[in-house]
Amino acid sequence: NAGVTQTPKFQVLKTGQSMTLQCAQDMNHEYMSWYRQDPGMGLRLIHYSVGAGITDQGEVPNGYNVSRSTTEDFPLRLLSAAPSQTSVYFCASKGTGDSYNEQFFGPGTRLTVL
Amino acid sequence: GEDVEQSLFLSVREGDSSVINCTYTDSSSTYLYWYKQEPGAGLQLLTYIFSNMDMKQDQRLTVLLNKKDKHLSLRIADTQTGDSAIYFCAESVVYQKVTFGTGTKLQVIP
Repeated sequence: NAGVTQTPKFQVLKTGQSMTLQCAQDMNHEYMSWYRQDPGMGLRLIHYSVGAGITDQGEVPNGYNVSRSTTEDFPLRLLSAAPSQTSVYFCASKGTGDSYNEQFFGPGTRLTVL
Repeated sequence: GEDVEQSLFLSVREGDSSVINCTYTDSSSTYLYWYKQEPGAGLQLLTYIFSNMDMKQDQRLTVLLNKKDKHLSLRIADTQTGDSAIYFCAESVVYQKVTFGTGTKLQVIP
């Protein structure tokens, strides 16, 4: 199992550009989520999905779109990048069959918006 | 809504015990977790506790839960330099989203 994979690892964008952060998991997990991590603010939930075709907003959804067409993939789209979106982005997944719902995290994407 | 708070920084000497504290607000939390993040990496689950438990011990780790005060703590015995990392407290209701705290950066001084 590869676990949770994210691409790219690093990305630099100019203000106004758009891009998609990719996330995939091979554990057949129903629940997937995107977080951003900023110094002193911990992890903040952007969007999450409880299964294919179902997505919902988290704490900080503005400026981001998601879709979940398959169980495996959960891409995050930045529509028009802003410097405030400079952050480290983590994708995570968890099953709903185990008793304590451990989240598995990808290695992160470090995004800089100039 | 849910809110999870932690102090930002803790410094201890190698060999001492570390205690990282967390407070949460959602009384319906079913599971509470401690995750560890090493530099440049994602988070990894260290341990968890079910809300009807008061204590859980796992080798050098002891988790204490005071449900009345909504207070969770993680004690690391005989702290080593390899324990230097950011530690996140998190809560969830079964099958629902997980809310993370701000993280506590643990620095272990040799």
